[in-house]
Amino acid sequence: ELKVEQNPLFLSMQEGKNYTIYCNYSTTSDRLYWYRQDPGKSLESLFVLLSNGAVKQEGRLMASLDTKARLSTLHITAAVHDLSATYFCAVDSGTSYGKLTFGQGTILTVHP
Amino acid sequence: SAVISQKPSRDICQRGTSLTIQCQVDSQVTMMFWYRQQPGQSLTLIATANQGSEATYESGFVIDKFPISRPNLTFSTLTVSNMSPEDSSIYLCSVGASGSIEQFFGPGTRLTVL
Repeated sequence: ELKVEQNPLFLSMQEGKNYTIYCNYSTTSDRLYWYRQDPGKSLESLFVLLSNGAVKQEGRLMASLDTKARLSTLHITAAVHDLSATYFCAVDSGTSYGKLTFGQGTILTVHP
Repeated sequence: SAVISQKPSRDICQRGTSLTIQCQVDSQVTMMFWYRQQPGQSLTLIATANQGSEATYESGFVIDKFPISRPNLTFSTLTVSNMSPEDSSIYLCSVGASGSIEQFFGPGTRLTVL
């Protein structure tokens, strides 16, 4: 059974600081997704990582994938208040694309 | 990308009743997925809706409780049957757009069962 674990589950940051969210998964998978969810909203796709060593960046967020370690990271650079949200990683089951197993989510709060 | 709409956006229902949630996509897709997000929790896959065949359910979810229809390549429904307060959740449909590696999610249906 595929398991996906994120840490930390809660992250309180000061504006301007850097931090990393970690996502570990238990079995081989072709695709690793990162999503953002604002309170009361649906999921916004941030990144899809396909291969070992893949790195993608968008603004203050950078995601990377190490398939050998079964680890993905979401790095936040110089956090701003607008980044406050819940961040989920998810992994494809491998049996068919689209069947995602999600991590628990990381609730990020950025303080002035 | 794919534009996904869901109806209703929210509902409050009495226990023992059933609610049907609709998911409409702006393009044809082979598979549609239904997820549940319980309050304060992550997302869990309920089932895969395939056009022209029976839905495939994940462990812990059964057709009698969550019947699914998929009449065409742009539309699906999920029914939550004989509801109890434990069914209070957000229900989301998800699709992968043609030519895209991304998985997109609908706006969700927020269900409260009293």
